[in-house]
Amino acid sequence: EADIYQTPRYLVIGTGKKITLECSQTMGHDKMYWYQQDPGMELHLIHYSYGVNSTEKGDLSSESTVSRIRTEHFPLTLESARPSHTSQYLCASSERVGGGSEQYFGPGTRLTVT
Amino acid sequence: RKEVEQDPGPFNVPEGATVAFNCTYSNSASQSFFWYRQDCRKEPKLLMSVYSSGNEDGRFTAQLNRASQYISLLIRDSKLSDSATYLCVVNPRSHYGGATNKLIFGTGTLLAVQP
Repeated sequence: EADIYQTPRYLVIGTGKKITLECSQTMGHDKMYWYQQDPGMELHLIHYSYGVNSTEKGDLSSESTVSRIRTEHFPLTLESARPSHTSQYLCASSERVGGGSEQYFGPGTRLTVT
Repeated sequence: RKEVEQDPGPFNVPEGATVAFNCTYSNSASQSFFWYRQDCRKEPKLLMSVYSSGNEDGRFTAQLNRASQYISLLIRDSKLSDSATYLCVVNPRSHYGGATNKLIFGTGTLLAVQP
């Protein structure tokens, strides 16, 4: 089993609130990722990090931001939540240098913005 | 055109049946390929990697056809527990030809195994 955790698992929040989705892994992986997935749709990469103090935007534009101050921690923040942010957010990590290594996923956070 | 395309299904098959999924990818320089499994409202989990020489793991066989840019997954003797969405995943090369750490996910093919 992968040791990657996300909290909260479910969040219902009002428009305009600031939220932070937590992601932690205990595998010592350098690379971490955030994906967004709507029901019945594919995963879209919104942020990734290759190590501490390294963050990049993914292929899908997102109003969220991320930080990587510690190897094991990769939180995602929305400064002002909107109904369009309603989705499932999945965090993942991988270890191998270079492409193609397995990504381990956390259980996800289901966000609903009312 | 999407970078990774799959038939969304659903594929409704009886227990014990053999079922096959195909997936096409657009980036001819893609270097790594995977099948992930995603249960309803759960996170994706790696099912198997797809090597140029093919890959077999028990009842599951994955094959890669680089010339036609598709990968396949064959499931023999389907079990009820095989019901899930199967995601085709590709690791593309960058514009400069170098490796990337990104994975491109297909929308998935839904398999429903009936008793």
